[in-house]
Amino acid sequence: KAGVTQTPRYLIKTRGQQVTLSCSPISGHRSVSWYQQTPGQGLQFLFEYFSETQRNKGNFPGRFSGRQFSNSRSEMNVSTLELGDSALYLCASSPLGLLPGETQYFGPGTRLLVL
Amino acid sequence: GENVEQHPSTLSVQEGDSAVIKCTYSDSASNYFPWYKQELGKGPQLIIDIRSNVGEKKDQRIAVTLNKTAKHFSLHITETQPEDSAVYFCAASLNTGTASKLTFGTGTRLQVTL
Repeated sequence: KAGVTQTPRYLIKTRGQQVTLSCSPISGHRSVSWYQQTPGQGLQFLFEYFSETQRNKGNFPGRFSGRQFSNSRSEMNVSTLELGDSALYLCASSPLGLLPGETQYFGPGTRLLVL
Repeated sequence: GENVEQHPSTLSVQEGDSAVIKCTYSDSASNYFPWYKQELGKGPQLIIDIRSNVGEKKDQRIAVTLNKTAKHFSLHITETQPEDSAVYFCAASLNTGTASKLTFGTGTRLQVTL
């Protein structure tokens, strides 16, 4: 079974631009979560989607948004990019995201550099 | 919300020695504690996990212990090998029945020297 895939793997943008990142979960998984990883803040939860609905949200500004499609693929968008948005953005999938102890499987991430 | 503290931030051991990484969590309702290994240029990979109704779990050279009363859990790696060198993250998860999310520790960079 193929793992979680993320595209693109690397991205360079300038301040003020917007960016869209894509995540394809493991086949059959319906829950997709997004995390931001930076050296200073570590791994921080952005949001989780299930059945095309955002079910949980972290403490990030409204510039960070996401969506999920009927095939469970998910995209996240960051508008008006700031230098501090430079990070590795990780996507994780799990079957339902509800059951206690359900494992999340991570993709390789998209490394975003904002200049 | 949940807060997870992880120590040490860096750990250097000689090949064949044991390594121990410790984490504490704040929300007593958290019920799932996975450990992830992240190698350079890759996403975190689950190596072992433990649920709140279990005190210890072992998988070959890796073991995890959980003390719910003290709200801390630890990763033990025995007979370390160079390929164990990576960044290790602990996490705590609270499944409310309507949503779940992982709160991560700040990571431990493990270096296994020859």
